[in-house]
Amino acid sequence: IQMTQSPSSLSASVGDRVTITCRASQTISTYFNWFQQKPGRAPRLLIYSASSLQSGVPSRFSGSGSGTDFTLTISSLQPEDFATYYCQQTYSTPYTFGLGTKLEIK
Amino acid sequence: EVQLVQSGAEVKKPGEPLRISCQGSGYRFTSYWITWVRQMPGKGLEWMGRIDTDDSYTNYSPSFQGHVTISVDKSISTVYLQWSGLRASDTAVYYCARHRCSADCYDDYWGQGTLVTVSS
Repeated sequence: IQMTQSPSSLSASVGDRVTITCRASQTISTYFNWFQQKPGRAPRLLIYSASSLQSGVPSRFSGSGSGTDFTLTISSLQPEDFATYYCQQTYSTPYTFGLGTKLEIK
Repeated sequence: EVQLVQSGAEVKKPGEPLRISCQGSGYRFTSYWITWVRQMPGKGLEWMGRIDTDDSYTNYSPSFQGHVTISVDKSISTVYLQWSGLRASDTAVYYCARHRCSADCYDDYWGQGTLVTVSS
């Protein structure tokens, strides 16, 4: 299953509302996760099952979607949110990631 | 506190064998699978495979099947990723993650990563 993320990079300012999308090459129900990764650090789970917020993740992060189209929204960007974001399907193995969206400071 | 602690960085030559490790603590080890993920320099995340730590059942990505082996030693809560003969293209950071599957599957805790450098 191919995962196509867009955009591949994004410039935004602190306080902006940001949306990242991911499309699966076939339907995957809600077997879908979002991760955040900062340089030199391990990935961090943000959202699982398409819309469930992982414990400890700020509520400004939200996820939606089912089937083939999914969205990660950050309601008000904070300085610590500038990172790379990856989507992942866990509908069938091999589980696959999107290529990532690099979120940069404008 | 859930922790996954990975072994340290390695520098190897092409053709050499290698085994890296991931030790879990702070949870019931055999209740969760462990996933391995590769990240080549400057690139994205690639799912390599996973192991059921209770019965050693494995799933591999076709991209890695036959080139790596994932194994477990329950007695010391440790999962291994090994190569019988490294290639330069194996240079990457390798992450392990605790993999939970209930209604859905996801990797909720991650190790710190192990940098493997393969160079002649």
